[in-house]
Amino acid sequence: ETVVTQSPATLSVSPGERATLSCRASQSVSSNLAWYQQKPGQAPRLLIYGASTRATGIPARFSGSGSGTEFTLTISSLQSEDFAVYYCQQYNNWPPWTFGQGTKVEIK
Amino acid sequence: EEQLLESGGGLVQPGGSLRLSCAASGFTFSNYAMSWVRQAPGKGMEWVSVFSGSGGSTYYADSVKGRFTISRDNSMNTLYLQMNSLRAEDTAIYYCAKNKGTWGSSPLDYWGQGTLVTVSS
Repeated sequence: ETVVTQSPATLSVSPGERATLSCRASQSVSSNLAWYQQKPGQAPRLLIYGASTRATGIPARFSGSGSGTEFTLTISSLQSEDFAVYYCQQYNNWPPWTFGQGTKVEIK
Repeated sequence: EEQLLESGGGLVQPGGSLRLSCAASGFTFSNYAMSWVRQAPGKGMEWVSVFSGSGGSTYYADSVKGRFTISRDNSMNTLYLQMNSLRAEDTAIYYCAKNKGTWGSSPLDYWGQGTLVTVSS
């Protein structure tokens, strides 16, 4: 099983600042990695797939990078609606499809 | 617009059964793999099961293998999850999600709002 580890667990950021979230896979997942955003009481929403491709309707301030085992989600200038929990998921080595434990982005 | 609507959750005693349904609309249901993902209260995401968009292939997480059965009715645009021998650790919100592709090497691009399953005596 490919273990996916996210860091940090919690990220405190002021509105307008940049946020950088990390995701590491225990073995190569090529570029088959996605990022999801989840707000309280809501379902997850796909932000990024293929490590760097924004999903439909996702603002350009969200960007993804990386390949192999190391990945990054960057939010260039945090807006109030961006405070949420972010999960990464690998879909290269399956089954099982595996998620990271999440990074909570909170207001500083 | 793609939409997924889950139903069938509720309170069940340990050892009991439930059948979850997920009604899909806004896309050609038969063309896509469909998945179930769960989230225990206050916890992260756990993939549960997937049904391919063609060929009828299915996979299960080890934690539910032999107890849960995924199925789909393409004529009704509906995905199901039959859950038997339920345990307290199965308590979670169960999300139905559409795979972006026909099979496994694809992300989950649309999610339902989830249905809560509580296993307790």
